[in-house]
Amino acid sequence: DAKTTQPNSMESNEEEPVHLPCNHSTISGTDYIHWYRQLPSQGPEYVIHGLTSNVNNRMASLAIAEDRKSSTLILHRATLRDAAVYYCILDSGGGADGLTFGKGTHLIIQP
Amino acid sequence: EAGVTQSPTHLIKTRGQQATLRCSPISGHTSVYWYQQALGLGLQFLLWYDEGEERNRGNFPPRFSGRQFPNYSSELNVNALELEDSALYLCASSDYRTLGYNEQFFGPGTRLTVL
Repeated sequence: DAKTTQPNSMESNEEEPVHLPCNHSTISGTDYIHWYRQLPSQGPEYVIHGLTSNVNNRMASLAIAEDRKSSTLILHRATLRDAAVYYCILDSGGGADGLTFGKGTHLIIQP
Repeated sequence: EAGVTQSPTHLIKTRGQQATLRCSPISGHTSVYWYQQALGLGLQFLLWYDEGEERNRGNFPPRFSGRQFPNYSSELNVNALELEDSALYLCASSDYRTLGYNEQFFGPGTRLTVL
């Protein structure tokens, strides 16, 4: 799987939007962009995924650059429960294989 | 709907012993994945089982093995335990054939400690 680069940590205030960036300059045309998050003492949970177009769901939005070499996960109104490690993952399997997790971004939410 | 379940929650073994970890996927999911999360190393992909067969494995030695049963539950076996095998072992399941994409649902994990 191609590599992704994320900041080690980010800090935000409660009830403000959060933009989590991810660079994936070696992405191939068939790679899906997935985001997962891992809350303390829990297994990871799926957040959102996309291929080319921006995507929205009840948890977040995913903005994908036109050249697909970067993407941004947007939490529209962060709460304390959003404090977690967020992983940006490229899935090349079409996707049925194991996922390659990097170090992720540790999101800290201040009350 | 019940999520992915794993047992035991905690497991303590000594070096050289064998450990067996169990996973029950979400009902209807045929794919099961195993990951290792050691301190400071992040999640590492271990094994993928689908329809009873091992489909892929990560960069781990052969003493990490497993199987998938006809009801799609799975077992991870770690032989000849080493101290560095101490980690959280996570199981995930997926229904990629129905969804068309690989959304994986993770269990709470088994914390393996090797003394």
